[in-house]
Amino acid sequence: DQQVKQNSPSLSVQEGRISILNCDYTNSMFDYFLWYKKYPAEGPTFLISISSIKDKNEDGRFTVFLNKSAKHLSLHIVPSQPGDSAVYFCAASASTSGTYKYIFGTGTRLKVLA
Amino acid sequence: KAGVTQTPRYLIKTRGQQVTLSCSPISGHRSVSWYQQTPGQGLQFLFEYFSETQRNKGNFPGRFSGRQFSNSRSEMNVSTLELGDSALYLCASSKGSNTGELFFGEGSRLTVL
Repeated sequence: DQQVKQNSPSLSVQEGRISILNCDYTNSMFDYFLWYKKYPAEGPTFLISISSIKDKNEDGRFTVFLNKSAKHLSLHIVPSQPGDSAVYFCAASASTSGTYKYIFGTGTRLKVLA
Repeated sequence: KAGVTQTPRYLIKTRGQQVTLSCSPISGHRSVSWYQQTPGQGLQFLFEYFSETQRNKGNFPGRFSGRQFSNSRSEMNVSTLELGDSALYLCASSKGSNTGELFFGEGSRLTVL
């Protein structure tokens, strides 16, 4: 039972354009969400987070949108750069669990074309 | 400040053997989580420790176990290795509340032959 889904395994975008990565979740108890970027042979690095009390959070070129009614979140990268080419994971947790149990999606491989 | 350190980075074992992986969290972080990454499966939650106590466990068989020491360092052990245990094992530390950023190590790549 995949509670967090990233339905697009891969995405190609031209340099300078917008990259939109999507994530859906099924558990209505999830109220905190993270996005991570992962390069080969490295651990995931944190990008941006959002809690369910917000519907948008922005950090530089990265913006995360949360649609609670649709149980959907998206990460926008504007403008996309070749260095953004990596695998992106979304993760969700329920703060009521009292632990750091994050459920991760299967990832979307982003390729930014120069 | 030093990041999360995992050892060994790479190891090869044969079926039936056991393996122990080590994780040193960021100084001051009291929570350590372990994840398994395999192609197509994303990161699967194994367990999370806080102050030497396991707070949560994922859906893995009992062959997978872990512990945390008083200095917050953590180890995970896999006994009776199977081919399907080949994966990247990632450790992440966090400050100690139950939400917030996870800081990941570079992982231990286990290959089971």
